[in-house]
Amino acid sequence: DAMVIQNPRYQVTQFGKPVTLSCSQTLNHNVMYWYQQKSSQAPKLLFHYYDKDFNNEADTPDNFQSRRPNTSFCFLDIRSPGLGDAAMYLCATSRQLGDTQYFGPGTRLTVL
Amino acid sequence: GQQVMQIPQYQHVQEGEDFTTYCNSSTTLSNIQWYKQRPGGHPVFLIQLVKSGEVKKQKRLTFQFGEAKKNSSLHITATQTTDVGTYFCAPLSNTGNQFYFGTGTSLTVIP
Repeated sequence: DAMVIQNPRYQVTQFGKPVTLSCSQTLNHNVMYWYQQKSSQAPKLLFHYYDKDFNNEADTPDNFQSRRPNTSFCFLDIRSPGLGDAAMYLCATSRQLGDTQYFGPGTRLTVL
Repeated sequence: GQQVMQIPQYQHVQEGEDFTTYCNSSTTLSNIQWYKQRPGGHPVFLIQLVKSGEVKKQKRLTFQFGEAKKNSSLHITATQTTDVGTYFCAPLSNTGNQFYFGTGTSLTVIP
C-alpha cells in the first residue's frame, strides 16, 4: 500500500548530540512537510519542500535542518537537541500545495 | 504562522450525546481542512471546505464553513466511543502554500 513511513518510531538522544529522523513516501507526492507536536498541543509546521524548493517557517529554530535528496525521502536533522526539543515529529506529504496531507506515524524523540 | 482558536479545548460527553467543536479566525479564510487524531496516533484528514456557507456530511459528522469564511464547525451526532480523539481545524495560509493547525478540541466519550 502507498504510504508515508517514518523511521525510527522512537528515538532517544543525548542533550547536544545530533540526531536525524527519516521519512519516506510511496505516494510520489510533490510536497513533504515536517511538523513538531508536543504533548497536548497542535502540530506545529517546521518547514516543507515543494519538490526541491525548501520553505522554512519563520519561527523554526536554526537548530532544525532538513534535506530532501529525492522525491521519496526527506530527513529532519536536529543539530544540537535540547530538552525542549523532545516531542513527536510528524512527516506529511501532499500531491500539491494546499492539497490533503497524509501523515506518517511519527517519531517520538526523547532527549536525555 | 497564523493560528486559529478552537473551542472548547476539551469536551466530555456521554455516548450517544452530540458534540460540536468550533474554529474561529479573525481573518477571512480561503479554505479549511479538518483532521482527527486518535490518542497515540497521527492526524488523519477528514474533509476540506472551500465555499462560503458550505455544508458537508460524512455519516454522523457534519462540517460547516461560515458565510463570512471566518469560522467553521464540526458536529458529531450520537457520539460513539470510536469518536474519541482530538479534532483539529487547519486553515490554509494566506500564501496558499500550507495549512496551519488550530488549537484542537479533545473529545472524550464516556460509555
